[in-house]
Amino acid sequence: ETGVTQSPTHLIKTRGQQVTLRCSSQSGHNTVSWYQQALGQGPQFIFQYYREEENGRGNFPPRFSGLQFPNYSSELNVNALELDDSALYLCASSLGKHTGELFFGEGSRLTVL
Amino acid sequence: AQSVTQLDSQVPVFEEAPVELRCNYSSSVSVYLFWYVQYPNQGLQLLLKYLSGSTLVESINGFEAEFNKSQTSFHLRKPSVHISDTAEYFCAVENNAGNMLTFGGGTRLMVKP
Repeated sequence: ETGVTQSPTHLIKTRGQQVTLRCSSQSGHNTVSWYQQALGQGPQFIFQYYREEENGRGNFPPRFSGLQFPNYSSELNVNALELDDSALYLCASSLGKHTGELFFGEGSRLTVL
Repeated sequence: AQSVTQLDSQVPVFEEAPVELRCNYSSSVSVYLFWYVQYPNQGLQLLLKYLSGSTLVESINGFEAEFNKSQTSFHLRKPSVHISDTAEYFCAVENNAGNMLTFGGGTRLMVKP
């Protein structure tokens, strides 16, 4: 059984640029959630996708957007990067949209200079 | 809206000593509570969960947590810690829609020999 994988693991961008982060969900899981974890803080919910549709969004601006593909993999896109976007971005998959039992990847660490 | 407070940002403890990591939550209706653990350079892993039934829940590696509705707490305990328990521990509560976890700020458990 393949776990949740994320890419890239680390990346550096400058202010104003755009970034795309990718996530492959665990085999058999149809739901993907994205969280932002700033240094020294707990993860914060960005949004969730269930069967290719957005199923809930946290308090993040529209420049944070996402996609889920038919194979349930997912992308997180962030436009017009700001310094405060520097964080660890965690992808988590689950089976069904109503569950707190999430399976997390190791994250993509984004640094914005 | 839900919120989670982890009262201790760091807990140093000697090996084989008992430990308690404190978590208080606020939630309007149903309460589903979770503890996740994050080992260095890894993603989060579910440690244990409370959904309903017995207020005392246990993990496979000796941790337990007790749901206390009157005190709105879900403290995590272990009677004897090991060096390998060194990690960051996050308490989380699920929202009513079941599509989002609200995490606390985390408690760094540092087990010393």
